[in-house]
Amino acid sequence: EADIYQTPRYLVIGTGKKITLECSQTMGHDKMYWYQQDPGMELHLIHYSYGVNSTEKGDLSSESTVSRIRTEHFPLTLESARPSHTSQYLCASSPSGTGTEAFFGQGTRLTVV
Amino acid sequence: GEDVEQSLFLSVREGDSSVINCTYTDSSSTYLYWYKQEPGAGLQLLTYIFSNMDMKQDQRLTVLLNKKDKHLSLRIADTQTGDSAIYFCASPVSGNTPLVFGKGTRLSVIA
Repeated sequence: EADIYQTPRYLVIGTGKKITLECSQTMGHDKMYWYQQDPGMELHLIHYSYGVNSTEKGDLSSESTVSRIRTEHFPLTLESARPSHTSQYLCASSPSGTGTEAFFGQGTRLTVV
Repeated sequence: GEDVEQSLFLSVREGDSSVINCTYTDSSSTYLYWYKQEPGAGLQLLTYIFSNMDMKQDQRLTVLLNKKDKHLSLRIADTQTGDSAIYFCASPVSGNTPLVFGKGTRLSVIA
């Protein structure tokens, strides 16, 4: 059973608000990821980190930012939410090494009205 | 970069076998993964195959890998209604990079 947690599970907020989506894992994994999932199912990598103080942008351009101050914590922040940010956000982690599987959290479904 | 392709929909009758197909482009992929996503949930690893294997079987699941054609398939024997979900094929661009996912195949099982 993977120990990776995302909060909140569901969030409805107004346009222009600042929000932070939380992701924590208790497995000591160095690598962590944020994926954005379309209503049509496709997953897009938006941010990843290979360790503390390391963050990289993914394939899909995103207005969000991330930080990695502690190994177990990888929060994602939107400074000013817009309706186009409405989506499902999935956090994942994996141990170091080649070909290691990714463990996923349950996701945060964000709706910006 | 890596491109992973899947058919989007599959409908089968309960008790039949399901076969979900996937193609990928990067021949240096070391591991290839199958994930399952149930409604409202995150992704759960179902199985994986190492690139030097042709086949892997795990209870009702059989994974076949054709490296020459860069084709991966997942067969689910005796498909049940609880198998209804979205199935994602995934591969890293190279050994230590984030996984690239296909668009997912939505499996519907008809009782």
